[in-house]
Amino acid sequence: ETGVTQTPRHLVMGMTNKKSLKCEQHLGHNAMYWYKQSAKKPLELMFVYNFKEQTENNSVPSRFSPECPNSSHLFLHLHTLQPEDSALYLCASSLRVEGGYTFGSGTRLTVV
Amino acid sequence: AQSVTQLDSQVPVFEEAPVELRCNYSSSVSVYLFWYVQYPNQGLQLLLKYLSGSTLVKGINGFEAEFNKSQTSFHLRKPSVHISDTAEYFCAVSDLEADKLIFGTGTRLQVFP
Repeated sequence: ETGVTQTPRHLVMGMTNKKSLKCEQHLGHNAMYWYKQSAKKPLELMFVYNFKEQTENNSVPSRFSPECPNSSHLFLHLHTLQPEDSALYLCASSLRVEGGYTFGSGTRLTVV
Repeated sequence: AQSVTQLDSQVPVFEEAPVELRCNYSSSVSVYLFWYVQYPNQGLQLLLKYLSGSTLVKGINGFEAEFNKSQTSFHLRKPSVHISDTAEYFCAVSDLEADKLIFGTGTRLQVFP
């Protein structure tokens, strides 16, 4: 257990479904991140939140909608996804960049 | 902008052999450097980091890395690998202006018996 908890670990959803991914940390970190990791592709940074405020959105399609109600929780709301959105979604948190990031175990998403 | 290059996408090696995974970065200013390991269907786990001081950094699982400022490199080494070291390894560099980490594309280390 790293201190960053992601649920669910696995998710299978149809293209018309709506689901949410959850990330939680109680490490006292102020920044939280969503990454997408597809097979044979580099890590893709999707969103960055700092003290609950979104500071980065890397041209992510609107079918992905993040929510950060407080510094300890981060959600990724999913709707009308495409099969190419199937990937491992990783959440991370940090306090200062010199401390590095602490990653969760990820949610393996399959869109059918 | 910072960038990180991991030249080797895959490194096959036999058990108990030494291994070096290469990482080069582009920066003209001071940086922090990190190596992470990712086992299948897991998140990334910090192996070691360089912030300042001694250029040889020791991490978990017997890994070490050497910071070379003149060559802008931070190569990861282990003198004798185990089957359990089979994983993906990511190098990362700090972007202090943007206050975030930039990750390389990863190197898949495959250890054979």
